[in-house]
Amino acid sequence: DVVLTQSPATLSVTPGERISLSCRASESVDTYLHWYQQKPNESPRLLIKYASQSISGIPSRFSGSGSGTDFTLSINGVELEDLSIYYCQQGNSLPYTFGAGTKLELK
Amino acid sequence: EVQLVESGGGLVQPGASLKLSCVASGFTFSDYWMSWVRQTPGKTMEWIGDIKYDGSYTNYAPSLKNRFTISRDNAKSTLYLQMSNVRSEDTATYYCTRVRGIIVFDYWGQGVMVTVSS
Repeated sequence: DVVLTQSPATLSVTPGERISLSCRASESVDTYLHWYQQKPNESPRLLIKYASQSISGIPSRFSGSGSGTDFTLSINGVELEDLSIYYCQQGNSLPYTFGAGTKLELK
Repeated sequence: EVQLVESGGGLVQPGASLKLSCVASGFTFSDYWMSWVRQTPGKTMEWIGDIKYDGSYTNYAPSLKNRFTISRDNAKSTLYLQMSNVRSEDTATYYCTRVRGIIVFDYWGQGVMVTVSS
């Protein structure tokens, strides 16, 4: 199985700052790496697909990059509504797997 | 508007069976692969399996393949998850998801909670 390692596990943020979240795969997943946001008491929602493709309705401050085994989700100017858990997920090979998540909290 | 509404969860005893349902609306259900994903109380996300748009093919997580079965009824726009011989570690929130492309879960239901306890 492809293991996705997300870091950090928790990130304390100040509104307005630019942050980066990491997702590393145990083997190459090409660009079949997707990001989800889960706000408290809500279902996950798709944030970025295929490592860097934007999703309609998602604020432009969210962006993704990477390929192979190293991926990054960036938020350019964190807002309070972004305090959530962020998960990466690979669709390259069965079984499809998720990272353990990075929780964004207020500093 | 795409909507996925799960039902059928609750408290169940170890060793019992349970069938979850997911009613889809707002899109042509029979055009899409569908999937089940679960989230443990500790927030770990686990893919359970998926089913082809016509119901002719399924994939499962190897650890769950022998106890979980995914099916669908396109006439009713409904996805199912049959769980058998449930264990305490099956306690989780179960999500129905629509699948696009190279396995992108583009829409999620609100989730249904399953608690396995005696």
